[in-house]
Amino acid sequence: AQSVTQPDIHITVSEGASLELRCNYSYGATPYLFWYVQSPGQGLQLLLKYFSGDTLVQGIKGFEAEFKRSQSSFNLRKPSVHWSDAAEYFCAVGAPNTGTASKLTFGTGTRLQVTL
Amino acid sequence: EAQVTQNPRYLITVTGKKLTVTCSQNMNHEYMSWYRQDPGLGLRQIYYSMNVEVTDKGDVPEGYKVSRKEKRNFPLILESPSPNQTSLYFCASKVKRNTEAFFGQGTRLTVV
Repeated sequence: AQSVTQPDIHITVSEGASLELRCNYSYGATPYLFWYVQSPGQGLQLLLKYFSGDTLVQGIKGFEAEFKRSQSSFNLRKPSVHWSDAAEYFCAVGAPNTGTASKLTFGTGTRLQVTL
Repeated sequence: EAQVTQNPRYLITVTGKKLTVTCSQNMNHEYMSWYRQDPGLGLRQIYYSMNVEVTDKGDVPEGYKVSRKEKRNFPLILESPSPNQTSLYFCASKVKRNTEAFFGQGTRLTVV
């Protein structure tokens, strides 16, 4: 079964600073990978996704993520954080070869705080 | 506008009183799921549906029921809610098996 680890529960960065949120997965083959963002009181919004091909993926709101097979990682990055980026971020993995449903398995989330 | 709509957004109920949380999507998606979100645990799948009249258990199905009589609707039923079902619930849909999921706004349920 697949699993996802987000080792940082809470991160604080200054506005304008760069950001990297870590995500490690466990799966026997190449999974589908996603980053979602959850703003307070809101649902989950897809930031970006990786299915195959180029390992550097661009998403919305200036975010990008890089799939590194050798490290089983899919870290999320942003070069300059804005105060509106304060939210909770979830990494998720979908396993293409696990039957009909291919459910998403989520990490426990990283809460990002942005200081002005 | 393409969306997944859940109702109600907030619900406080008492132990044992049956309740239903509705979920509707307007994207003609085949796959729909219910997740619960708890602090420190992320989102865990409760039930999913691959199409009309096809449903199956996720990781935490105990105490929940679902039905899929129409493609657009996927209600979550708690026949006898208990306090350990106090949580934030999300409905999600996706167009086919290996694609991204679209989420509703969430339903915050409190069982006292």
